[in-house]
This record gives sequence, C-alpha cells and structure tokens, in this order.
Amino acid sequence: GAGVSQSPSNKVTEKGKDVELRCDPISGHTALYWYRQRLGQGLEFLIYFQGNSAPDKSGLPSDRFSAERTGESVSTLTIQRTQQEDSAVYLCASSLAGQNTDTQYFGPGTRLTVL
Amino acid sequence: AQSVTQLGSHVSVSEGALVLLRCNYSSSVPPYLFWYVQYPNQGLQLLLKYTSAATLVKGINGFEAEFKKSETSFHLTKPSAHMSDAAEYFCAVSDNTDKLIFGTGTRLQVFP
Repeated sequence: GAGVSQSPSNKVTEKGKDVELRCDPISGHTALYWYRQRLGQGLEFLIYFQGNSAPDKSGLPSDRFSAERTGESVSTLTIQRTQQEDSAVYLCASSLAGQNTDTQYFGPGTRLTVL
Repeated sequence: AQSVTQLGSHVSVSEGALVLLRCNYSSSVPPYLFWYVQYPNQGLQLLLKYTSAATLVKGINGFEAEFKKSETSFHLTKPSAHMSDAAEYFCAVSDNTDKLIFGTGTRLQVFP
C-alpha cells in the first residue's frame, strides 16, 4: 500500500517568508510525527499528533512553528518568518496507534533551504 | 531524560567484512530500541526493533542487534558487508511519551 508522502520534496524560500509543508500519513494510522534533520545531525522531534490533537508539542523550537492535522489524515507544518537556521530536512512519520513499540514509518522528507 | 549515543560518525569496511555500528542508550525506564537506515535521497526505513522480547533481534538485509542491559548497548551487526549496505544508520530509543529520540547517525561506507 501507499507509504507516507510529503510535499514539496524541495522548497527554497527567502528569509522572512512563510512556508507550509504537507504530510499524508499511511491510511488508518492515528499517530503522526514531525521531525527535523539538520545537516550532519540526527533527527530532532518537533510535534506528535494523536488523531487531530497534539499532546506533545515540546519540540517546536519557537512560536514561528505551528502544525495542524485534519482528523486522522493530512498534517501541515507551518513556519512563519523563516530564518536561515530553519534550513533542514523536515520528516514526517506515522504509526498505527502511537504506542511505544509501534514502528514509525517515515516519508521521504521536505528539504527546506532558506536563503 | 532518555538519550542515544552512536560512537563513530563514519565507519568504513571492505565488502565481505563484519559490520559493527555502536549504539548506547540512557534510559530511566525499560527502553524500546530501534535501528533505522537511510539510503541516499530516501526516507528512513526500519531495520529492526527491540520491544522487550528476545534480546537478540534479527532484522532485514541480514542485520541483527543485541540488547545488553548491563552495558546499556544495542549495537548493530552484519557478518558480511555488501556494497548495497552503504547508507546512514540511526539508532533510536522510544521514551514513555511515544516519540523517538535519535542518535546522530553513523555513515557506513563499503569498499570493494
């Protein structure tokens, strides 16, 4: 079946602009995660959704970052007034029920470059 | 807080040689541990996971890992490297809020 998809695959923007990144999870997966991968670093947790609520937003680096999810479907990560330090690959993952033992399935990521 | 340390950001082996990628974790609760692989220009793919059943876990592509509580380790091994194993490997621990805590990754190079 279809995996996790993300769009766009690449995004180049100018400093100060807003960007929206989209994630389509695997159908039926109630849990959805956003991570950030900066060059040469590991993945950094941003936010976790269970259904359309976000019980854990602890990884969002500033109030310029926000995310929403429609039901148990698409999620959008929005970065306002982008800064150069926001340049990274943004990865989305979904899992069946959000249990500790569930496998998280990752999308291919969106590479964001802020000039 | 839970954390993961991957020793060696780059590992190089010859084709046919043993692959050993190291992962140590810190956790105040029984951990669930994962190894993911990221091939160039692709997303992360699960290799294997430990969820408190057998301590020796077998994964895809001939990889396996052993959970050693006394050493707080979950090292990844493969007896014989293939050229196609060249990728970046990430160890991760699941904390009790369900998110994954990742190590900084190890890039594996395989030489002919």
